[in-house]
Amino acid sequence: GAVVSQHPSWVICKSGTSVKIECRSLDFQATTMFWYRQFPKQSLMLMATSNEGSKATYEQGVEKDKFLINHASLTLSTLTVTSAHPEDSSFYICSASSGGAPRWGQPQHFGDGTRLSIL
Amino acid sequence: AQTVTQSQPEMSVQEAETVTLSCTYDTSENNYYLFWYKQPPSRQMILVIRQEAYKQQNATENRFSVNFQKAAKSFSLKISDSQLGDTAMYFCAFRPLDSNYQLIWGAGTKLIIKP
Repeated sequence: GAVVSQHPSWVICKSGTSVKIECRSLDFQATTMFWYRQFPKQSLMLMATSNEGSKATYEQGVEKDKFLINHASLTLSTLTVTSAHPEDSSFYICSASSGGAPRWGQPQHFGDGTRLSIL
Repeated sequence: AQTVTQSQPEMSVQEAETVTLSCTYDTSENNYYLFWYKQPPSRQMILVIRQEAYKQQNATENRFSVNFQKAAKSFSLKISDSQLGDTAMYFCAFRPLDSNYQLIWGAGTKLIIKP
């Protein structure tokens, strides 16, 4: 149980295009989803917290207009990298929690990540 | 600010040996959760083990166990009978009790199991 599907797993596109990454919770409802960025050999850097039906909360330094996050349903959140440039190339990972109060200790469940390469 | 420190950037051991990865954290909270996640070369993040701070008993999951020292704010991971498939990055993470699930991550330790 608690499977998170992330798509696509790898995308290569030209500079200036927009890229959408989907994150789906397959067998549970995720009221909260997270989007991370990971540089090679580094830890996960939280970009934003996405709550269903409301605006995402972005971390300091993350451009809201560059990284558009939509969490329209309890099973789907999307990250759109707008007008992507080579410096946006990275590994992006989403995660979701399987519900219940945070104090219940439910862990985050991760998607397999998306490798984004901007030429 | 709450922080998580993993002081070992890289470790390597022979297959079947036991290895311990260290993690310390800083917080003024009394109740929280601690996690170890594994990220193999496939880059999928996999939950290894979880510890509730209000439980004194150390968590165990098969070959994986933790040594949780609350007063020292230490949360080390012990891997017994290490296997080649244990080769991965290991991340320690902290989460306050009422944090909307948000995790605070350590920098990670690269573990290499040699045949």
